[in-house]
Amino acid sequence: GQQLNQSPQSMFIQEGEDVSMNCTSSSIFNTWLWYKQEPGEGPVLLIALYKAGELTSNGRLTAQFGITRKDSFLNISASIPSDVGIYFCAGPDRENAGNMLTFGGGTRLMVKP
Amino acid sequence: NAGVTQTPKFQVLKTGQSMTLQCAQDMNHEYMSWYRQDPGMGLRLIHYSVGAGITDQGEVPNGYNVSRSTTEDFPLRLLSAAPSQTSVYFCASSLNRGDQPQHFGDGTRLSIL
Repeated sequence: GQQLNQSPQSMFIQEGEDVSMNCTSSSIFNTWLWYKQEPGEGPVLLIALYKAGELTSNGRLTAQFGITRKDSFLNISASIPSDVGIYFCAGPDRENAGNMLTFGGGTRLMVKP
Repeated sequence: NAGVTQTPKFQVLKTGQSMTLQCAQDMNHEYMSWYRQDPGMGLRLIHYSVGAGITDQGEVPNGYNVSRSTTEDFPLRLLSAAPSQTSVYFCASSLNRGDQPQHFGDGTRLSIL
């Protein structure tokens, strides 16, 4: 299937700092999704992007669909302790007959109060 | 409205044992899928279904069977458990397309000794 590469793999930041993470692919994606997973739970959708160049916000979170359609970015402003979790990017895998989602390896975010 | 419900939450098996992980959704979603999550590897697609009576393989199908006799249920069967199948398993569903945001259950944590 198509591969998504996320960076950084982990981040340990101070409360109040801004966070940036990204997701890249060697092939074009038509949809980018960002999920957050908290310990002991399943991933929860944060933001969905459907158009190249699109910039979408959800509270303190902002995600962008890269112009090349091969990357996407997620920013978190003024981080708080409850932002702790693993953040995944995902997109439809066109090598899969059902166009099911493929996921990046995740960015683990830790916030120090 | 429970969303996606997975049972059991935890399970320990011995090598060679069989078991079925249960997944049910009450959102009348056509698409259902199973992912496994291993450290640093994100979520990988095992099997998926685009509707009752229709299933297909994902990225890592070996050692697993599925069936979809109803819209609501999508069980995952391990016929002869192996230590390499120790993982966290997530069931997900989406309305009627694979590239739509997936709704996830809270996972089944499976250990095989």
